[in-house]
Amino acid sequence: AQKITQTQPGMFVQEKEAVTLDCTYDTSDQSYGLFWYKQPSSGEMIFLIYQGSYDEQNATEGRYSLNFQKARKSANLVISASQLGDSAMYFCAMRARGGNQFYFGTGTSLTVIP
Amino acid sequence: GAVVSQHPSRVICKSGTSVKIECRSLDFQATTMFWYRQFPKQSLMLMATSNEGSKATYEQGVEKDKFLINHASLTLSTLTVTSAHPEDSSFYICSARDRRGAGGYTFGSGTRLTVV
Repeated sequence: AQKITQTQPGMFVQEKEAVTLDCTYDTSDQSYGLFWYKQPSSGEMIFLIYQGSYDEQNATEGRYSLNFQKARKSANLVISASQLGDSAMYFCAMRARGGNQFYFGTGTSLTVIP
Repeated sequence: GAVVSQHPSRVICKSGTSVKIECRSLDFQATTMFWYRQFPKQSLMLMATSNEGSKATYEQGVEKDKFLINHASLTLSTLTVTSAHPEDSSFYICSARDRRGAGGYTFGSGTRLTVV
């Protein structure tokens, strides 16, 4: 069974600083994908970044980067140069390669302080 | 990029009535759509997988007679909450698979259902 763990229910970061949101996962699958989504108060789920389990390099998308440590089964999200608009819930998710179902963590609420 | 439109964004209904939520893929065809439920301050839980032209696949513990799913076309899936009760009040969000997009899955904007 797949399980996603986000141990930080809430995080605060000063504007323009970097912040790391933790995510660990548990799976018996050899091939899987890891995702991060942002959910603002309006509710929509905004895709941020994807990491395949066989990707050798850490994924990056603009200010977002994923610190993927396969042996530790961790996929932490790093947001650089935080902006006020980054305040939202952030969900880590996993999907088995070839499967359709997402398994989501419980989320981290990020607040960016001016 | 891929866009999934979900309607309505908010709905308030009386206990015992039914509510229909629509999920449309605007610029791509989605043979498979997914319906999730999210309680306040909790994560998304998959309710069912909607397959175009066939019956939906429900997750364990989800009442298929209560949450009717119809995927009649390649761009539209509907979720009908029948005989709604206050405990059905939740945030419902759909997702569609678009292989073209980064990550491959696009979520709708969600529907906040309040049953009074």
